[in-house]
Amino acid sequence: QKEVEQNSGPLSVPEGAIASLNCTYSDRGSQSFFWYRQYSGKSPELIMSIYSNGDKEDGRFTAQLNKASQYVSLLIRDSQPSDSATYLCAVNPSGSARQLTFGSGTQLTVLP
Amino acid sequence: SAVISQKPSRDICQRGTSLTIQCQVDSQVTMMFWYRQQPGQSLTLIATANQGSEATYESGFVIDKFPISRPNLTFSTLTVSNMSPEDSSIYLCSVEGRGGLEQFFGPGTRLTVL
Repeated sequence: QKEVEQNSGPLSVPEGAIASLNCTYSDRGSQSFFWYRQYSGKSPELIMSIYSNGDKEDGRFTAQLNKASQYVSLLIRDSQPSDSATYLCAVNPSGSARQLTFGSGTQLTVLP
Repeated sequence: SAVISQKPSRDICQRGTSLTIQCQVDSQVTMMFWYRQQPGQSLTLIATANQGSEATYESGFVIDKFPISRPNLTFSTLTVSNMSPEDSSIYLCSVEGRGGLEQFFGPGTRLTVL
């Protein structure tokens, strides 16, 4: 079974700090990786995608991918209370066309 | 990204009945996906719906319980049949993005079965 694992949290950080969210995946052939943000009662919203090893930055968000270690992370700089949400890691496993496998999510709380 | 709508946004249904959920997107897409998100849980893929072909169901989901229609490139329906309280969940449709790999989600349908 192709799995995606995240620490469920909750993770609490003070406002202005860096929040670090981690995700590991079991399928070494996975090629596409995504981070979604889900506010309570809302649907998931795509915030980052990453396809190659290294870092990808978009505003306050940085996604990091290490395929050798089967590890993908999301850093949120200058965290704001509005960043408080559940963050879902999603992976497109090999041989699965365009389906995504989601992790269980990490609940982040940014404290004012 | 595409604008996706779902109907109904929420419903309360009686055991043994069926509910059809509609998903409409404002642009043509090849692939649409249906997910279930049970309370406090992550997303589980139910099936993939391509226009002009039968839906492909994931392990644990069957067509008799979750029939899907995909009549054109902008619309799909998911029916939850013969419902039980265990079917209480949020049902989400998603569509592929222009890059073909990412997915964008509709607002979801919150279903409660009594």
